[in-house]
Amino acid sequence: DADVTQTPRNRITKTGKRIMLECSQTKGHDRMYWYRQDPGLGLRLIYYSFDVKDINKGEISDGYSVSRQAQAKFSLSLESAIPNQTALYFCATSDLSSNQPQHFGDGTRLSIL
Amino acid sequence: DAKTTQPNSMESNEEEPVHLPCNHSTISGTDYIHWYRQLPSQGPEYVIHGLTSNVNNRMASLAIAEDRKSSTLILHRATLRDAAVYYCIPRIGNTPLVFGKGTRLSVIA
Repeated sequence: DADVTQTPRNRITKTGKRIMLECSQTKGHDRMYWYRQDPGLGLRLIYYSFDVKDINKGEISDGYSVSRQAQAKFSLSLESAIPNQTALYFCATSDLSSNQPQHFGDGTRLSIL
Repeated sequence: DAKTTQPNSMESNEEEPVHLPCNHSTISGTDYIHWYRQLPSQGPEYVIHGLTSNVNNRMASLAIAEDRKSSTLILHRATLRDAAVYYCIPRIGNTPLVFGKGTRLSVIA
């Protein structure tokens, strides 16, 4: 979905480095989400935010932090990257109204050596 | 969260209809049934959702069993571009989606 932009698209880095993945959206949605996907598996929720002042942990938040800088921006940080955080990371957004679809970016492929 | 059971993989011939099943026997009365698909090298995309009645849109149809313990996503004429992993997801209101492993659909020309 071109309205949800993730940067960078690919990143290779070393163990112990601090990494920030960025997500911006032009859909005007209040809700934003970060997921990770490991090979052969479905997506797992890391963090989500229902508005600028709201941050919630998901299923696998350990080792990650987030920042909701504005309605349109939601960043995911790995404070000290480790190899098992190598994965595909997806950002998503959804409208405030009930049962609205989530719209996903094209993902960031992160490799930690 | 309601648990779902989907076949790991399915195969279809191009231009044939495809019926993708999903069992969600622990679904609650307020859970909508959402379907998403993930094409290779892309993020998931919304396909369709419904509560009790069958639903149609330009992409697919959703048939929901009367007891709501199962549903079927119907692609009326599969194309090569429909090859993807399809996820069936029961969802309460606007809670974040919880993904299982889905069904990998292969379409044969």
